[in-house]
Amino acid sequence: KAGVTQTPRYLIKTRGQQVTLSCSPISGHRSVSWYQQTPGQGLQFLFEYFSETQRNKGNFPGRFSGRQFSNSRSEMNVSTLELGDSALYLCASSTSRDRGGTNTGELFFGEGSRLTVL
Amino acid sequence: AQSVTQPDIHITVSEGASLELRCNYSYGATPYLFWYVQSPGQGLQLLLKYFSGDTLVQGIKGFEAEFKRSQSSFNLRKPSVHWSDAAEYFCAVAARSGNTPLVFGKGTRLSVIA
Repeated sequence: KAGVTQTPRYLIKTRGQQVTLSCSPISGHRSVSWYQQTPGQGLQFLFEYFSETQRNKGNFPGRFSGRQFSNSRSEMNVSTLELGDSALYLCASSTSRDRGGTNTGELFFGEGSRLTVL
Repeated sequence: AQSVTQPDIHITVSEGASLELRCNYSYGATPYLFWYVQSPGQGLQLLLKYFSGDTLVQGIKGFEAEFKRSQSSFNLRKPSVHWSDAAEYFCAVAARSGNTPLVFGKGTRLSVIA
């Protein structure tokens, strides 16, 4: 079974530009989560999508947005880039719920998209 | 709010020595507990998880972790470290109900010397 695929792996942008990152989850996984990883802040939760609906959102400004498509693929967008947005953006998928509705929490991560803002 | 503390930012051990990475959590109820590992330039890989039952859980690559409810801890151990274990290790917790996201500790970077 193929893992979580993120594209692009590396990209360089300048301040004020916008960027779109893509994530293809493991087949059958309906939940996609996004995390921002920086040396100073560690892994910070951005948002989670489940069945095309945003289910959770972290404490990030409105410049950060995302969406999920009917095939569970997800994209995140960052507009008006700032230097501080330079980070590794990680996507993770999960089966999310068992039949009892309990979130098992286990995530399967992609290799990330490394964004550098100049 | 739930939180995860990994008190050691960086640990250096000799190859063949034993290893223990500490993790403490603050939560209203016992959460699901995880350890992930991240090699340079890579995503995170699940090492092991605790949902319920035996408090000593075995994972991949020879790692194990012990859940101690009284100490709100979930420490990761390995009896003999290999040079390939050099990486960053993250402890994480997730609520047993609801849809709250996985919360990660800041990570512990492990260096292995000959």
